Amino acid sequence: EAGVAQSPRYKIIEKRQSVAFWCNPISGHATLYWYQQILGQGPKLLIQFQNNGVVDDSQLPKDRFSAERLKGVDSTLKIQPAKLEDSAVYLCASSFTSGVTYEQYFGPGTRLTVT
Amino acid sequence: TQLLEQSPQFLSIQEGENLTVYCNSSSVFSSLQWYRQEPGEGPVLLVTVVTGGEVKKLKRLTFQFGDARKDSSLHITAAQPGDTGLYLCAGSGSGTSYGKLTFGQGTILTVHP
Repeated sequence: EAGVAQSPRYKIIEKRQSVAFWCNPISGHATLYWYQQILGQGPKLLIQFQNNGVVDDSQLPKDRFSAERLKGVDSTLKIQPAKLEDSAVYLCASSFTSGVTYEQYFGPGTRLTVT
Repeated sequence: TQLLEQSPQFLSIQEGENLTVYCNSSSVFSSLQWYRQEPGEGPVLLVTVVTGGEVKKLKRLTFQFGDARKDSSLHITAAQPGDTGLYLCAGSGSGTSYGKLTFGQGTILTVHP
C-alpha cells in the first residue's frame, strides 16, 4: 500500500514570496490533515479535512495560509506572503475514519526555509 | 484546550540502558498514540492504546495507558542506537475534537554505541 505522498521535499524562498505544497493521501482515507512542525517540537494541526469539507481550521493563520481539497483526494496548502517564522516542516497526514482510534499516517513532509 | 506534556525533553544514554518517557495531561483522551520520527521523515505510528490501564508490548518497547486515560508511558529495554529519534505522544479527544490529535512536544532520544 502506497503511503502519503508530499512534494516538494524541500523549498527555500524569500520572505514575502508565495509557496505551495501538495499532498496525496493514502487511497481510501477520507480525513486529511496539514501540520506545521517547528524544529524540535511536536506537530501543530493547521487544518483538517473530512472528504472535501473543512472540519477544523482554528489554528490556520487565514490571513496568509490557505488550503483546499477540491475532489476529496489530494490537497494543496499555500502560504502568501511567507514570513521568516513560517520556516518549518509541513506535514500531511491521512486517516481512515473508523472506530475510536483515528490513527494518522504521515507523509515525509516539506521542509520550508524562508530567508 | 487539551495539552500533553512529555518528559524528559532530551535523553542521551548508552547502548543497553533502559529508559522511560512520560506523557501527562490534565485532560482525558479517548485514545493515545505513540509515534517515532527520524530526521527528514514524518512521524511513524508505533502503537495506539485505548483502554485505561492497557499495556502493550512491541519487542523491547512497552507502552502503558494510565487508568484515568490522562497519561501514558513508553519504556524501552536495552536501548540500541537504532532507537535514536524523536518520540511523540499524541492524544485523541472526544466530542467536537474527535479525530483531532494533540501532540506532546516530543522527547529526543540519542542512544550511543
